[in-house]
Amino acid sequence: NAGVTQTPKFRVLKTGQSMTLLCAQDMNHEYMYWYRQDPGMGLRLIHYSVGEGTTAKGEVPDGYNVSRLKKQNFLLGLESAAPSQTSVYFCASSYVGEISSTDTQYFGPGTRLTVL
Amino acid sequence: EDQVTQSPEALRLQEGESSSLNCSYTVSGLRGLFWYRQDPGKGPEFLFTLYSAGEEKEKERLKATLTKKESFLHITAPKPEDSATYLCAVQAPYSTLTFGKGTMLLVSP
Repeated sequence: NAGVTQTPKFRVLKTGQSMTLLCAQDMNHEYMYWYRQDPGMGLRLIHYSVGEGTTAKGEVPDGYNVSRLKKQNFLLGLESAAPSQTSVYFCASSYVGEISSTDTQYFGPGTRLTVL
Repeated sequence: EDQVTQSPEALRLQEGESSSLNCSYTVSGLRGLFWYRQDPGKGPEFLFTLYSAGEEKEKERLKATLTKKESFLHITAPKPEDSATYLCAVQAPYSTLTFGKGTMLLVSP
């Protein structure tokens, strides 16, 4: 099992350009998440999905869009990149069985994005 | 609002020098407290989940404990390969995880 994979690993954009980050998981997890990690800020949730065809906003959703067309994939889009979106982006997934169970999340290796 | 505060922000130890990392939290009903390890340039790696006060879990030189207000990650006789950033997160019922900012641990030979 590859676990959670992310594409690309690195990317440099100019202000105003668009791009899509791809996250894939092979663990048959229902839930998937996109986080950003900035120095001194910790991990902040951008958007998440509780199943195929669903998405929801996290703590810092502005400037990002997401789609979950297939259970194993979760896409994060930047329509018009801004320097403030320079960050490391992590995807995670989790299996939530019973409604009372906890949410152990497994993370991908990250995408380092620089917006000039 | 759920909050997680980790201390210290950074910790430098000599190899073999045991110590503890702290994770203080406020949450409206704890479903789980999570510890992760993150190496530079990599994604967080899951270590432990604790569910209720008094619970303890161990893995090699690491032991995590939980009270109603905080969790400790005890590191016994650390080695240089234990150097990493350790992240704590909490989950309230029907909610996503709230992460702390982490403790950067450096173990010198």
